[in-house]
Amino acid sequence: EVQLVESGGGLVKPGGSLRLSCAASGFTFSSYSMNWVRQAPGKGLEWVSSISSSSSYIYYADSVKGRFTISRDNAKNSLYLQMNSLRAEDTAVYYCARMAAADANVGDYWGQGTLVTVSS
Amino acid sequence: EIVMTQSPATLSVSPGERATLSCRASQSVSSNLAWYQQKPGQAPRLLIYGASTRATGIPARFSGSGSGTEFTLTISSLQSEDFAVYYCQQYNNWPPVTFGGGTKVEIK
Repeated sequence: EVQLVESGGGLVKPGGSLRLSCAASGFTFSSYSMNWVRQAPGKGLEWVSSISSSSSYIYYADSVKGRFTISRDNAKNSLYLQMNSLRAEDTAVYYCARMAAADANVGDYWGQGTLVTVSS
Repeated sequence: EIVMTQSPATLSVSPGERATLSCRASQSVSSNLAWYQQKPGQAPRLLIYGASTRATGIPARFSGSGSGTEFTLTISSLQSEDFAVYYCQQYNNWPPVTFGGGTKVEIK
């Protein structure tokens, strides 16, 4: 059974940093590209970042470029999102999602999410 | 960036009735369109990809159609568990991946 479990969320002050993790199991993690997608309270879905299976290709939304860094450790079956210079508008539930295929950015499995709150 | 627009924002439907949800892209996305269902407090669940292919385990009452800029998700006979928010997402031209604003299907 495919499982994705996010952790690392919490309350942080504006300008602060946080590192999210996503532990993957039930599939060959090193064969799949992965995404981070977020959802502000009461709002819709917003794509944040994608990383290819070998980390060769990395993409970011303009809203987080230069502040967030996606990475992965295939030996540990883990995906990460380092978030720096956090702003109030970064407050959201952050989901990791498996990309169904390298050339089709469709999230076929999603974690339950971790809440990040940026507030003073 | 391709903008995805969903309509209506809210759809009130009685159990057993058909629901038709629309999604429009600001430019052609070919058939590279996915639909997700999200219930309160839960993660999104993939329903449809390739505009019309049901994901694993998705009941046949869910169907997708369209190509180019106009897409439809149809739920043929609404069950109680189908009341949720539905999002469309294009993956034809990314980054960025873009989602529609969602359609909430509520009980009439």
